[in-house]
Amino acid sequence: NAGVMQNPRHLVRRRGQEARLRCSPMKGHSHVYWYRQLPEEGLKFMVYLQKENIIDESGMPKERFSAEFPKEGPSILRIQQVVRGDSAAYFCASSPGEAGNTIYFGEGSWLTVV
Amino acid sequence: GDSVTQMEGPVTLSEEAFLTINCTYTATGYPSLFWYVQYPGEGLQLLLKATKADDKGSNKGFEATYRKETTSFHLEKGSVQVSDSAVYFCALSRYGGSQGNLIFGKGTKLSVKP
Repeated sequence: NAGVMQNPRHLVRRRGQEARLRCSPMKGHSHVYWYRQLPEEGLKFMVYLQKENIIDESGMPKERFSAEFPKEGPSILRIQQVVRGDSAAYFCASSPGEAGNTIYFGEGSWLTVV
Repeated sequence: GDSVTQMEGPVTLSEEAFLTINCTYTATGYPSLFWYVQYPGEGLQLLLKATKADDKGSNKGFEATYRKETTSFHLEKGSVQVSDSAVYFCALSRYGGSQGNLIFGKGTKLSVKP
């Protein structure tokens, strides 16, 4: 059973470009979570999605960031018009359900904005 | 708001030494508490958890006890091995919140020397 798959593992973007990060949850998991880890910081929750629904986006920046988890295909975290401060590691996690379930993390995608 | 504070690293120990990584939290209600471990180049893995006061979580020789009176969840291991070298994250999930909406500490890097 493959784990949570994230790609790309490393992404370099120039300021102003768009970054797209993909996350395929573990088989059988319908809940996806995105976290961001800034340098020297702990992971911070961004958004929680179920298939075709955003359940909790309390950690998402108000502008330039969006996330989706379509009926088919991976979850996508999109960052438009990237700035240097977006450079971070972005972790995806998944779970089969909500309350009481352990969440499983992917290996992360490292975004560098130059 | 809710927060997690863990001791700063890096922590360097010799093999077979005793390990303690301190973690304290601030939260309303009754959060669940977690320790995650991140080995080099990998994603976060759940190490252990406790869901109510006085619970003890344990796994792979590690243990931590949920202490409500001191709002602490310190990680301990009696005899560390070189293979325990990793970054350790303490986290809480808000009472009544989604299980995947975790608040993390900044992480403590552990290096074990042979």
